[in-house]
Amino acid sequence: RKEVEQDPGPFNVPEGATVAFNCTYSNSASQSFFWYRQDCRKEPKLLMSVYSSGNEDGRFTAQLNRASQYISLLIRDSKLSDSATYLCVVLGAGKSTFGDGTTLTVKP
Amino acid sequence: EAGVAQSPRYKIIEKRQSVAFWCNPISGHATLYWYQQILGQGPKLLIQFQNNGVVDDSQLPKDRFSAERLKGVDSTLKIQPAKLEDSAVYLCASSSGVVQPQHFGDGTRLSIL
Repeated sequence: RKEVEQDPGPFNVPEGATVAFNCTYSNSASQSFFWYRQDCRKEPKLLMSVYSSGNEDGRFTAQLNRASQYISLLIRDSKLSDSATYLCVVLGAGKSTFGDGTTLTVKP
Repeated sequence: EAGVAQSPRYKIIEKRQSVAFWCNPISGHATLYWYQQILGQGPKLLIQFQNNGVVDDSQLPKDRFSAERLKGVDSTLKIQPAKLEDSAVYLCASSSGVVQPQHFGDGTRLSIL
């Protein structure tokens, strides 16, 4: 079993839709969690941190469930420009582990 | 604020040759990471430095890969000799601490012929 797992998708949604991704992790000692966005042939870019209390940044909401060991990303009112691969990363105990990403395509 | 600088952007070599990549992190960032990203997969950590000490190199193929960060600032990653399966994008990232968000350079796209 991988240390960090994501549903690879692809998720194909129409503009304006709400879409959610999950990321599960196996190391209960993990300390920090982030979501990154990666466009084709580009480097990953930080989208948002994930806090225990949940956090929101515009149309994006991230949540952490330590008991079930997963983090989630919710995108509301999807835009064409949201099409990308979304990567979660889990940090802790001197390790940094990325998931393999979930691909989102938003269609007109 | 200048971002993470990497060079070269592209490299094409034949198998069994050697190659080296260079990374200069964001000023003041103590933590530096090297990742290998194969198409369709997430970045895989090769080595993590805290200043000039190694925090994690458990996934670095040490028979052919080496990395150093001698003065705790910039870093080099070397592959010698290269194999076909080393074709990938090599990403460098830096952060202000081991549990802080990472910022990536543009990466080096390596092709092995």
